[in-house]
Amino acid sequence: NAGVTQTPKFQVLKTGQSMTLQCAQDMNHEYMSWYRQDPGMGLRLIHYSVGAGITDQGEVPNGYNVSRSTTEDFPLRLLSAAPSQTSVYFCASSYGGADTEAFFGQGTRLTVV
Amino acid sequence: GENVEQHPSTLSVQEGDSAVIKCTYSDSASNYFPWYKQELGKRPQLIIDIRSNVGEKKDQRIAVTLNKTAKHFSLHITETQPEDSAVYFCAASSNTGNQFYFGTGTSLTVIP
Repeated sequence: NAGVTQTPKFQVLKTGQSMTLQCAQDMNHEYMSWYRQDPGMGLRLIHYSVGAGITDQGEVPNGYNVSRSTTEDFPLRLLSAAPSQTSVYFCASSYGGADTEAFFGQGTRLTVV
Repeated sequence: GENVEQHPSTLSVQEGDSAVIKCTYSDSASNYFPWYKQELGKRPQLIIDIRSNVGEKKDQRIAVTLNKTAKHFSLHITETQPEDSAVYFCAASSNTGNQFYFGTGTSLTVIP
């Protein structure tokens, strides 16, 4: 099993550009989530999904969209990138929701200039 | 929503000594409390977790204690080794079980 795979690993965007961060898992986990990690602030939940076709907002959803058309994939879209979205983004999946172990992808380091 | 506070933000110990990291949470309905270790440039990985019906759990040199009344839980690492150097995050699950709330992290340095 590859686990949770994120692409790309690094990305530089100009302010106002849009992009999609890809996340895929091969563990048949129902629960998937996106976090951003900023220095001194830990991991903050952006959006999550409890299954295909179902998504919901986390702590910091503004400026991001998600969709979950399949169990395996959970892409994160930045609609109009802003410098405040410069961060490291992690995708994670869990077999039974947010009260079971989260398996993280390797992260995407995004810089918005 | 849940509020998780973690202390200290940095911790340095001599190799062989013990390290203790403490977290508090605000939502008495939270029922799952994992600890993640993140090495530099790597992804977070679960090292130990505890549920609200258990007061203590141990796995070799690592232990976690939970005090539900006081709403705090702690990570204990004994006989620390240089490879224990990393950032450690505590977390608590929301009362719906749909969201994790993470602490702000503790950077642990084990000095050989």
